[in-house]
Amino acid sequence: QKEVEQNSGPLSVPEGAIASLNCTYSDRGSQSFFWYRQYSGKSPELIMFIYSNGDKEDGRFTAQLNKASQYVSLLIRDSQPSDSATYLCAVRPYDKVIFGPGTSLSVIP
Amino acid sequence: SAVISQKPSRDICQRGTSLTIQCQVDSQVTMMFWYRQQPGQSLTLIATANQGSEATYESGFVIDKFPISRPNLTFSTLTVSNMSPEDSSIYLCSVASVSGANVLTFGAGSRLTVL
Repeated sequence: QKEVEQNSGPLSVPEGAIASLNCTYSDRGSQSFFWYRQYSGKSPELIMFIYSNGDKEDGRFTAQLNKASQYVSLLIRDSQPSDSATYLCAVRPYDKVIFGPGTSLSVIP
Repeated sequence: SAVISQKPSRDICQRGTSLTIQCQVDSQVTMMFWYRQQPGQSLTLIATANQGSEATYESGFVIDKFPISRPNLTFSTLTVSNMSPEDSSIYLCSVASVSGANVLTFGAGSRLTVL
């Protein structure tokens, strides 16, 4: 079993819709959870991180964490064409960060 | 967040040669990591670069192939040794924030093509 799994893409949503990205992880000792965005040819950049169960909101982005289910999600409200990128879920067990395979998102104008 | 300078940004190398990638950070950091991103793939952790001691390698990566140096808290190098076409990847240096969350900041990456 892979340490971090994400819903396979590509995911296409119309402009203005909600994009939902999902991630599961295997290590119950994981302490912090991250969502990174990576544009083609660029390095990953942090969108947000979460470490407590529940929701965390930052602008159009909401991260949700359920440690009992070992599940993390990212919701993007009012999706924009500029949100088209690969979204990487990452998990921190101990002193390293492990990345999932990524989900490609396309927002169609 | 820290600013990371990584070089070279790209290189084309011949099979059997070695290349050293440099990573310079504008502030002292404790945690520094090297990742590999193969074409169309996600990031795979190669190793944690430890200051003053040997790097900690992940499963599937060995010191003979990917020797790492970390002489101080602002600098590290990754060498890709005896390269083959399978080593063609983007290699990324990253550092963790000082907070407990270990938020990573990445360098721009070094794109290696091995012929």
